[in-house]
Amino acid sequence: QVTLKESGPGILQPSQTLSLTCSFSGFSLSTSGICVSWIRQPSGKGLEWLATICWEDSKGYNPSLKNRLTISKDTSNNQAFLKITSVDTADTAIYYCARRDYGSYSFDYWGQGVMVTVSS
Amino acid sequence: DIQMTQSPSSLPASLGERVTISCRASQGISNNLNWYQQKPDGTIKPLIYYTSNLQSGVPSRFSGSGSGTDYSLTISSLEPEDFAMYYCQQDASFPNTFGAGTKLELK
Repeated sequence: QVTLKESGPGILQPSQTLSLTCSFSGFSLSTSGICVSWIRQPSGKGLEWLATICWEDSKGYNPSLKNRLTISKDTSNNQAFLKITSVDTADTAIYYCARRDYGSYSFDYWGQGVMVTVSS
Repeated sequence: DIQMTQSPSSLPASLGERVTISCRASQGISNNLNWYQQKPDGTIKPLIYYTSNLQSGVPSRFSGSGSGTDYSLTISSLEPEDFAMYYCQQDASFPNTFGAGTKLELK
């Protein structure tokens, strides 16, 4: 059974660095063709893909935020991480992690999401 | 970036009705089109991948079709649990992009 769960700070102040953790089970990030992605959704708005990390450690970032994003993984502990630097109120959103399977070229399992609020 | 345009943005419908949601890409995406359902509690469920393939466990009343720039999701007979938001997503090129969503509402 594949599960993913996001965790984060809840609230942080503008200019701080947001650190998110995706803890997953039921698959391994060392398996060929498997990746984990981060996607966010501001309140009342649509979905925005942020970044992806894959089994062989390749990484992809949304160019609109690329300079602020860092994705990483800890394969042995079944976790993926996302850091966003210099946050502002526009980064307030629900952040999801999702498994990306190169067999289906889709996000085939999603976490429940974690709310992050940026406020002074 | 490839822009994804969904229509309609809101779709009132009745139980048992057949409905179709459309998604148009700003350029050809070679069938690399996925559909997701989001419930009010935020839970996101994958429905269809690569235009027309049902994800595991998805009921057969859901179907997808399309080619080139134009794609659609059809629900053949609405059940109560189908009233939710629906998003398309292109996987043809980075950055992956999503449509703005269609809210399927009970009429």
